[in-house]
Amino acid sequence: EDQVTQSPEALRLQEGESSSLNCSYTVSGLRGLFWYRQDPGKGPEFLFTLYSAGEEKEKERLKATLTKKESFLHITAPKPEDSATYLCAVQPRNTGGFKTIFGAGTRLFVKA
Amino acid sequence: SAVISQKPSRDICQRGTSLTIQCQVDSQVTMMFWYRQQPGQSLTLIATANQGSEATYESGFVIDKFPISRPNLTFSTLTVSNMSPEDSSIYLCSVGAGAGNTIYFGEGSWLTVV
Repeated sequence: EDQVTQSPEALRLQEGESSSLNCSYTVSGLRGLFWYRQDPGKGPEFLFTLYSAGEEKEKERLKATLTKKESFLHITAPKPEDSATYLCAVQPRNTGGFKTIFGAGTRLFVKA
Repeated sequence: SAVISQKPSRDICQRGTSLTIQCQVDSQVTMMFWYRQQPGQSLTLIATANQGSEATYESGFVIDKFPISRPNLTFSTLTVSNMSPEDSSIYLCSVGAGAGNTIYFGEGSWLTVV
């Protein structure tokens, strides 16, 4: 069964304290892995797509990496405005084009 | 990426009533989807909104409870029928667009049923 597990469920950081969020996945062939940011009461905002092991993408203080079993979202020197829920999602290769499975998310709190 | 607008953004609804959520996209898209996100939970796909034909529902979701319309390539509606407190959720319109089958989301419609 295709599955996405994110850890930790919640992460509290001090401003400037770098850390990583984990996304472990089980899928029968990966078409793509996605990271989103979601603010409370809002829709998810697309951040990155990763397609193959070894791939990396960066945006400001965020860097996403991918291996054959997991992805990491590294946050360098976070600021309070980085506080949000970060969602990981995968698209299996052997299903319809846009079938996407989401993890439960990691809630990030960054304190000034 | 497409700009996706949803209305209403938030509403408080009485038990037993129905509410229709509208989704407008600023460009023509083939694939439109409706997701639900219950409090503290992740996203669950309700259905794929097919243009000119009946929506394709995921397991656990039925047309009588969540009727969907898709009259053209830029607009869709989701109705939540005969609401109960368990229907209190964020309902998200989304489209598949761009490279790599990326899903983009609207701002969401936050419904509270009392």
